[in-house]
Amino acid sequence: QVQLVQSGAEVKKPGASVKVSCKASGYTFTKYYIHWVRQAPGQGLEWMGIINPSGGDTSYAQNFQGRVTMTKDTSTSTLYMELSSLRSEDTAVYYCARVVSAWVQKGAFDIWGQGTMVTVSS
Amino acid sequence: QSVLTQPPSVSGAPGQRVTISCTGSSSNIGAGYDVHWYQQLPGTAPKLLIYGNSNRPSGVPDRFSGSKSGASASLAITGLQAEDEADYYCQSYDSSLSGSGVFGTGTKVTVL
Repeated sequence: QVQLVQSGAEVKKPGASVKVSCKASGYTFTKYYIHWVRQAPGQGLEWMGIINPSGGDTSYAQNFQGRVTMTKDTSTSTLYMELSSLRSEDTAVYYCARVVSAWVQKGAFDIWGQGTMVTVSS
Repeated sequence: QSVLTQPPSVSGAPGQRVTISCTGSSSNIGAGYDVHWYQQLPGTAPKLLIYGNSNRPSGVPDRFSGSKSGASASLAITGLQAEDEADYYCQSYDSSLSGSGVFGTGTKVTVL
């Protein structure tokens, strides 16, 4: 079945970096854009950025410019989101999500990863 | 910071109809971007409920419906059931933010 499986929970110290993985299966990896979304404890959803699994081009939310890097490994059908210079406010669940239609950048998200909890604490 | 505004909470008795509004602006919903809706149960990832303003994915009950008008959109739940108690988010894109994705502030639906 179509699914996105994310890496496990992380605990990081302020100033460190974290890299979350998202492994896709059950569909043609290169056809569907992937977005990253995060949710702080008790808060709403926040869009972080998008990556084209085919060409690797990316676009990031202004809030994360300079701190986030999204990459892909086509050989393993895996996407990565790395966030640097972590601070306590980055404590959140991070999700990868697939756009519902092939080759469409700005669409709805029909498949979500299970989420990865990242805790930033000294 | 969310650029789409939703009411923090709505409630209704079982069987009733509730609606959730999603108010945007001329740079997002009003610019013609589609609106999508998600349901999030506690401790789980969001689930797509409505896409393209009014389309339901396979498996979503027809009790859920969406509409869009101008710079706003709404989600209606008819025949409210206990399992509908969850958080609901609208989502679109915004041209003033270089086409970035944007989410609504979220609405907690309580079944009385």
